[in-house]
Amino acid sequence: QVQLVQSGAEVKKPGASVKVSCKASGYTFTSYGISWVRQAPGQGLEWMGWISAYNGNTNYAQKLQGRVTMTTDTSTSTAYMELRSLRSDDTAVYYCARDRKRFDPWGQGTLVTVSS
Amino acid sequence: QSVLTQPPSVSGAPGQRVTISCTGSSSNIGAGYDVHWYQQLPGTAPKLLIYGNSNRPSGVPDRFSGSKSGTSASLAITGLQAEDEADYYCQSYDSSLSAVFGGGTKLTVL
Repeated sequence: QVQLVQSGAEVKKPGASVKVSCKASGYTFTSYGISWVRQAPGQGLEWMGWISAYNGNTNYAQKLQGRVTMTTDTSTSTAYMELRSLRSDDTAVYYCARDRKRFDPWGQGTLVTVSS
Repeated sequence: QSVLTQPPSVSGAPGQRVTISCTGSSSNIGAGYDVHWYQQLPGTAPKLLIYGNSNRPSGVPDRFSGSKSGTSASLAITGLQAEDEADYYCQSYDSSLSAVFGGGTKLTVL
């Protein structure tokens, strides 16, 4: 079955960077893109951006431009999301999801806590 | 402030019908982009519930249905059950080439 499995929880200090991984299985990785969505505690869903697993093209949310980088490793069917210059309001569960315009399935989520 | 507008909460008794609205604009839903709905049970990742405005993925009960008209969409749930208690999100695409979400609606089964 199609599945996305994410890396484990992270605790980071303000100003640091975090890199979350998302390993895909059950489908041809390069046939779909991967989107990243985050959810702050008690809040709604926020789209962060998308990367094509076919050619590496990216499209990032304007508010994150300059702080986020999405990459893929086709040899391991894994997508990565790196967020730099972390702030306390970046504390959230980060999800990867297959595809660009509709998201199915989703990874299980990775909690990133930013705290001094 | 979410791009798509949903009511913060709805409620209904078991067996009843509830609807959740999702209002966008001419740059997203009104531009012809599809609307998708997700169900998020407590402590879990969102799950695709309705795609392409009105289509159900395999395994989703036909108690769930979606529709779209103009700049709005709606999700209807009939025969409400206790296990339907969850947060529901609408999502579409925008002419700025961004995916956009509603703020989410918490469904309470009384």
